[in-house]
Order: sequence, then structure tokens, then C-alpha cells
Amino acid sequence: KQEVTQIPAALSVPEGENLVLNCSFTDSAIYNLQWFRQDPGKGLTSLLLIQSSQREQTSGRLNASLDKSSGRSTLYIAASQPGDSATYLCAVRGNYGQNFVFGPGTRLSVLP
Amino acid sequence: EAGVAQSPRYKIIEKRQSVAFWCNPISGHATLYWYQQILGQGPKLLIQFQNNGVVDDSQLPKDRFSAERLKGVDSTLKIQPAKLEDSAVYLCASSLEFGQRTTEAFFGQGTRLTVV
Repeated sequence: KQEVTQIPAALSVPEGENLVLNCSFTDSAIYNLQWFRQDPGKGLTSLLLIQSSQREQTSGRLNASLDKSSGRSTLYIAASQPGDSATYLCAVRGNYGQNFVFGPGTRLSVLP
Repeated sequence: EAGVAQSPRYKIIEKRQSVAFWCNPISGHATLYWYQQILGQGPKLLIQFQNNGVVDDSQLPKDRFSAERLKGVDSTLKIQPAKLEDSAVYLCASSLEFGQRTTEAFFGQGTRLTVV
């Protein structure tokens, strides 16, 4: 059974810092991995999707990497801004057509 | 394109009452998911549909929860009777399948259920 963990559970940084969020999964046989952002009281917004054959994906100030063999993914946020404050969730899919298994999330606060 | 639509946004009911949630996925998305998210946790799958067929309902508490997706488009999730521990956000998501490489999931705003 796939299990997903995220470290740290919460993070508080001053504006402008670069930061890394970590996601680990127990079964390396994944189809893809997706990073989401969740604002308080809102649904999930997709940030980046990495297919199992890919090593990384980039979108603006966000860069996500994937190391399947070690069961890890990282989300790198460059030059953080107060607007980046949210909970960040990673989710993995085991095979084509299967559901996504989520981690518990990392709650990020970027202080002005 | 329009996103995943869910209603209602909020619902407060007493325990042992029944409640229903509605979801309309992105047009053309064959796969629809219902997730339950308890405060402070990641979402947990309740049920997954492929068109109007159930792919995975192994974590759905079938004694009180039911879901249907008639005609393979919109879906309803029902709880009857509700318990205090059902208080959570219920998220609906959809994704494009059938040979599409980018099987990205898109989520609705969720329905926040409070059982008192």
C-alpha cells in the first residue's frame, strides 16, 4: 500500500528566501506525481505534474524534481513571496487510471 | 475552460441527518473522484468513477455513504445517516484518461460539511 509523507509539516520563512519542500513515497512504482497548492477554505490548485519518466518540471518560480528510485520528490520555490503562503500537497499515482494518494501537506508561511 | 463545479459550498447538519453533494466535472473528463479531507490531513479517496462505472470504492463506508454518476457526467455523493466524524471537506476531482499522457487531476472548491 502506497504511503506518502511530507517534511516539514510547517515552515515559516521571510520573504525572498528560496525554499525546498520534501515529499517521500514508499512504493517507487509510480505513474506520475503531482504537486498541489491549497489555500485556507479552498480546493486544490494543480502546480506541477511529473510523469514517471521525467526528472523535473518547472513553472515560473517553481521547480519540482522526481527521484523514483529513492521514492522522493522536492518542490523548490525561488524568491518566496507572501502570496506563496498556503499548504502544499504532493500526490502520487501508482498506475494509469488509478487514484492519487496524498501526503499530509506542508503548511508554508512567508512573512513580509 | 470551466473548472470542476461543486455545490453546496457549506453545509451544517445534525448527526443522523442525511446530506447530498453534487459535482460537475470538466467537460470530456472520463474519470471522476470524490475525496474526503479531514482538517489537517491530506485528502483520502472515497470513490473513483470511470465514465459511469466504479473503479475503486474500497475506502467508501458503504453502510452510510453512497455515490452515483449517472450518464457518466455529473455525480452525487450522499451520507445517510451522518456521524460527527464525517465533518470534513468533500472534494471532487476529474481527469482525462483513455490514452492521454497528461493525466492531471483538477479539483473543485470542495464542500465543507459540519455535523453537530
